[in-house]
Amino acid sequence: GAGVSQTPSNKVTEKGKYVELRCDPISGHTALYWYRQSLGQGPEFLIYFQGTGAADDSGLPNDRFFAVRPEGSVSTLKIQRTERGDSAVYLCASSLTPGTSGRSGELFFGEGSRLTVL
Amino acid sequence: AQKITQTQPGMFVQEKEAVTLDCTYDTSDQSYGLFWYKQPSSGEMIFLIYQGSYDEQNATEGRYSLNFQKARKSANLVISASQLGDSAMYFCAMRGHNTDKLIFGTGTRLQVFP
Repeated sequence: GAGVSQTPSNKVTEKGKYVELRCDPISGHTALYWYRQSLGQGPEFLIYFQGTGAADDSGLPNDRFFAVRPEGSVSTLKIQRTERGDSAVYLCASSLTPGTSGRSGELFFGEGSRLTVL
Repeated sequence: AQKITQTQPGMFVQEKEAVTLDCTYDTSDQSYGLFWYKQPSSGEMIFLIYQGSYDEQNATEGRYSLNFQKARKSANLVISASQLGDSAMYFCAMRGHNTDKLIFGTGTRLQVFP
């Protein structure tokens, strides 16, 4: 497809389990972002990739959260020992160029992966 | 630190009327960008409009315009001729200078009624 694709769309897991969420960005987009959106809140920045490297991971809440982008395209967000507070929609976005203060930094979002931790 | 504030949790507007959604921001950067996104019930974030801090004119995109008042650090979104399909959450966001992440506000839920 032409847009950002995220899988799974819904994931229900038990507390303590390991979860992987996948993001397939728009072809050719070098920048990839992960956000977390809790109910009634705006998206909260987690991590940003430029190519294969994490350029800014300052939003990851703790060391249970990790993300990779080994070939500079698809990215996986990994959550270890899930907690009920991790329940949220995890949004992925990509952009054509690294963020600047210009229009070219516009982010294109996927529809998100809804994670529920029981 | 950068911050976006949206003080209207919810707004109602009648179809075909105009509505203004408020957004104020805080940054010490001289160069920055301001964005508005729409999030319908499907969950996808849809880009609406962008304003650069050095742009002299207010941005417009079809029925959307951005009322940018730099001295007051406000970037309100104006939607003209509201349509039922405009009912959604609306988020204001900012990207500062030398940073690549967008910081979002808490959003405003707009409901358009016939």
